[in-house]
Amino acid sequence: AQKITQTQPGMFVQEKEAVTLDCTYDTSDQSYGLFWYKQPSSGEMIFLIYQGSYDEQNATEGRYSLNFQKARKSANLVISASQLGDSAMYFCAMRDNNAGNMLTFGGGTRLMVKP
Amino acid sequence: NAGVMQNPRHLVRRRGQEARLRCSPMKGHSHVYWYRQLPEEGLKFMVYLQKENIIDESGMPKERFSAEFPKEGPSILRIQQVVRGDSAAYFCASSYQGSNTEAFFGQGTRLTVV
Repeated sequence: AQKITQTQPGMFVQEKEAVTLDCTYDTSDQSYGLFWYKQPSSGEMIFLIYQGSYDEQNATEGRYSLNFQKARKSANLVISASQLGDSAMYFCAMRDNNAGNMLTFGGGTRLMVKP
Repeated sequence: NAGVMQNPRHLVRRRGQEARLRCSPMKGHSHVYWYRQLPEEGLKFMVYLQKENIIDESGMPKERFSAEFPKEGPSILRIQQVVRGDSAAYFCASSYQGSNTEAFFGQGTRLTVV
């Protein structure tokens, strides 16, 4: 069974600073994918970034990067140059690449950006 | 190309009524996934359907909940005799293939049971 843990229920960051949101996972699968989603107060799920378990380089998408440490089973999201619009819930999720596209989600981290 | 469409966006039901939630996948997608998000929690997988088939329903409650994805028309998540604990956001996602491809989320249906 897969499990995702996000240990930070809430975090503050000053505008324009970088912030790291933690995510650890547990799986016995060899081929898996790790995702981060943003959920603003309006409620939709916005895909941010994806990392495959066999990807050698950390994924980056604009101001988002994923710090993938396979041996530690961690997949932390780094947001650089925080903006007020980054205030939202952030969810880490995992997929077993050999068993459908179902995702297992963590409990989320609420990020609040201070002006 | 329209994204995943869910309707209604908000649904209010009295205890004991039925709730029907609809999900139209992206064009060309034949795989649909339903998730439930309770307040202040992450999404929990409920059921995975392919056209006319239920592939995995391991996350569905045993009673009152059912899902279908007919050959024509949207996927339907049906909750009979709703109770207050069913109040949640229900998300649908769709994908082109059954594995190793990105699933795209709809905007969700917020069900409130009064």
